Amino acid sequence: NAGVTQTPKFRVLKTGQSMTLLCAQDMNHEYMYWYRQDPGMGLRLIHYSVGEGTTAKGEVPDGYNVSRLKKQNFLLGLESAAPSQTSVYFCASSHSRQGRNQPQHFGDGTRLSIL
Amino acid sequence: AQSVAQPEDQVNVAEGNPLTVKCTYSVSGNPYLFWYVQYPNRGLQFLLKYITGDNLVKGSYGFEAEFNKSQTSFHLKKPSALVSDSALYFCAVRDVGTALIFGKGTTLSVSS
Repeated sequence: NAGVTQTPKFRVLKTGQSMTLLCAQDMNHEYMYWYRQDPGMGLRLIHYSVGEGTTAKGEVPDGYNVSRLKKQNFLLGLESAAPSQTSVYFCASSHSRQGRNQPQHFGDGTRLSIL
Repeated sequence: AQSVAQPEDQVNVAEGNPLTVKCTYSVSGNPYLFWYVQYPNRGLQFLLKYITGDNLVKGSYGFEAEFNKSQTSFHLKKPSALVSDSALYFCAVRDVGTALIFGKGTTLSVSS
């Protein structure tokens, strides 16, 4: 019973490099989310998805792209990494049943440093 | 726009004493409010939620929260703190869609 799994757990990039963060959930959840956590700022929504093949922008989408080709996976891409994207990235998922009432389940995060 | 505020960056309590972590909210329409806890190097864990009904909501690990509509508050409480309760606590409100808007977090430190 893994829940939400994020890979990798840590990564160091150089400015301008690209990478993809993978989120996988085994709870058959319809909704998935990507957040970033920065000191003193809480969590901020980057992108989210309400179902396979659909994505939408959150509060801080610039510099990121996402894809949801399979229901269980939600990918976050950085096309050209910048130091401002140094952060801890969290993926979450939730059921669509009863829509907004369902709690989100979080992965343990990916710690990303951009040099 | 929906928002939450956690006015205290840090709360310090002695083990065995009651604890309160404060949260105020601003929403249009009915509030859907949540509390999460984060331990070091881990993701957020759901504690409890308020959707409708009783103003006192009971959650995991002995925590409860009191919803107060007139004061637009949703404070997290526990009658007797444990050292193991030391962590980062987040209040959140459901946004117009399904995502959450989080407060900036409050670090709870429980001393023995």
